[in-house]
Amino acid sequence: AQRVTQPEKLLSVFKGAPVELKCNYSYSGSPELFWYVQYSRQRLQLLLRHISRESIKGFTADLNKGETSFHLKKPFAQEEDSAMYYCALRGFQKLVFGTGTRLLVSP
Amino acid sequence: DAGITQSPRYKITETGRQVTLMCHQTWSHSYMFWYRQDLGHGLRLIYYSAAADITDKGEVPDGYVVSRSKTENFPLTLESATRSQTSVYFCASSVEGGGTEAFFGQGTRLTVV
Repeated sequence: AQRVTQPEKLLSVFKGAPVELKCNYSYSGSPELFWYVQYSRQRLQLLLRHISRESIKGFTADLNKGETSFHLKKPFAQEEDSAMYYCALRGFQKLVFGTGTRLLVSP
Repeated sequence: DAGITQSPRYKITETGRQVTLMCHQTWSHSYMFWYRQDLGHGLRLIYYSAAADITDKGEVPDGYVVSRSKTENFPLTLESATRSQTSVYFCASSVEGGGTEAFFGQGTRLTVV
């Protein structure tokens, strides 16, 4: 079975503070992990994927197979980062999501 | 216009009625997905399709029916709507292959009264 767990429903930080959104997964095969973001009144869109090992908008995420985690990090949060963040796992054909974490960045 | 579109954007229906949500994509993506988004539950997969005429159940398929006679269309039907099916529904599509991005529609807000 494929399962994604995001333990935090809400993460509230001040501008300039570091951010870490947690994601753990369960999958018996070789996983493909993603982070998607949904800004207010916008469509869900891809933020980054583990296979690319890229940094987008200052965010990074490293796949840790030993801990089955794919946490999203940013060293200095900005107000425009406020959004809903979803961790996603693509296994055999299916694409499943976690429950999401709402990030609020206050000035 | 190129992309993935859902219709209607908003729908109010009565308990027991059948309602169909439409999803259309112009990229000829092989994969299509239907999700529902609920507070506290995030995005839950209802059904998905790997190609035309191939569909399979996701996490919460009960009460829903899908079909995919054409690659570009993936309608979702609520056979007899219930209040628990009040939700925001998202359709998505992607190409086949590892690490590929899924593209989402703008969502349909369905209210069952």
